[in-house]
Amino acid sequence: GQQLNQSPQSMFIQEGEDVSMNCTSSSIFNTWLWYKQDPGEGPVLLIALYKAGELTSNGRLTAQFGITRKDSFLNISASIPSDVGIYFCAGQSLIQGAQKLVFGQGTRLTINP
Amino acid sequence: DTGVSQDPRHKITKRGQNVTFRCDPISEHNRLYWYRQTLGQGPEFLTYFQNEAQLEKSRLLSDRFSAERPKGSFSTLEIQRTEQGDSAMYLCASSLNSAWGTEAFFGQGTRLTVV
Repeated sequence: GQQLNQSPQSMFIQEGEDVSMNCTSSSIFNTWLWYKQDPGEGPVLLIALYKAGELTSNGRLTAQFGITRKDSFLNISASIPSDVGIYFCAGQSLIQGAQKLVFGQGTRLTINP
Repeated sequence: DTGVSQDPRHKITKRGQNVTFRCDPISEHNRLYWYRQTLGQGPEFLTYFQNEAQLEKSRLLSDRFSAERPKGSFSTLEIQRTEQGDSAMYLCASSLNSAWGTEAFFGQGTRLTVV
């Protein structure tokens, strides 16, 4: 089953607002990835993080790899309608098997025009 | 398009029938993964290949499921004697072997409906 706790589960915001979501784990991860998924499609990779403390940006998106290696957050600035979708965090653990990714339950983002 | 390709996109089958899905990874990627996603959940790991070798299988992968990657390129996932509980989105992803970690790129998925 899922071993990442992702919050919030859903967000309803106004266009132009900033968004913040996070992911926590009880175990250490050596890689954190953030994906966006639209209905009926596969997840699309947004940002990859490989070092504790790393802060990485991709346009209006910023993500950080927590110092403890047990958490990560994703921020979206100045949201626009195409940001609507489900955002997933995923972690790769040295302990749980080096190759598979474990996913959170997702954060559903809805933007009111 | 050089992304991960999955076929078919949708499959409706009667309970008890066998189904097979195909995944063509990004050409230079040596790792290939299969995930299953049910409504409202994140993807769950099923199995993974490095080249043609199947290196890890989840306990979710019952005896009715089998995956192959015969030449280290495309992969197939077969489900025998389908059950209604097999209804889900089946996702394939691929990545390069990297000392840093895994940047896995997903295909569009195959949505299976068992009636």
